[in-house]
Amino acid sequence: NAGVMQNPRHLVRRRGQEARLRCSPMKGHSHVYWYRQLPEEGLKFMVYLQKENIIDESGMPKERFSAEFPKEGPSILRIQQVVRGDSAAYFCASSPSTGRQETQYFGPGTRLLVL
Amino acid sequence: AQSVTQLDSQVPVFEEAPVELRCNYSSSVSVYLFWYVQYPNQGLQLLLKYLSGSTLVKGINGFEAEFNKSQTSFHLRKPSVHISDTAEYFCAVPVDYKLSFGAGTTVTVRA
Repeated sequence: NAGVMQNPRHLVRRRGQEARLRCSPMKGHSHVYWYRQLPEEGLKFMVYLQKENIIDESGMPKERFSAEFPKEGPSILRIQQVVRGDSAAYFCASSPSTGRQETQYFGPGTRLLVL
Repeated sequence: AQSVTQLDSQVPVFEEAPVELRCNYSSSVSVYLFWYVQYPNQGLQLLLKYLSGSTLVKGINGFEAEFNKSQTSFHLRKPSVHISDTAEYFCAVPVDYKLSFGAGTTVTVRA
């Protein structure tokens, strides 16, 4: 059973460009979570999605960031008009169901560098 | 509010020596706790988790942790570390479906 897949692993963008990060959850997992790891700030929750629904986006910046998890295909985290402060590692996790006792399985991350 | 605090940001240790990484939690509800490991330039991997039952939890790679309710702690231990244990270790508590992570402890194992 393949783990959580993320691509690209590394992404370089210039200020003002768009960044698109993809996440394919583990087989059988319909719950996807995105976290961001900023230098010196640790891992922070961004958004939680189920198929075709955003359940909680309370950790996501209100502007320029969006996320989706369509019926078919991977979950996408999209950052428009990137700025240097968006440089970070973005991790996707998935779980087969939701709840405080559920283990979230993490992908290898996408490391975004904004020049 | 539920949160965790990792008391050490850096822990240098010699190969084959024991290591303990400290994590304290605050919670007003029943506690579930997780330890994850992040190897350099990789994602997070679950080491172990406490849901209920035995307070001594055994995980992968020889790690174990003890849940101590009176001290509100969940410290991670390994009796003898290897060079390959060099990594960052995160304690986490679930807040509903979100994981709230501690700041992380970087373990550097030296020969």
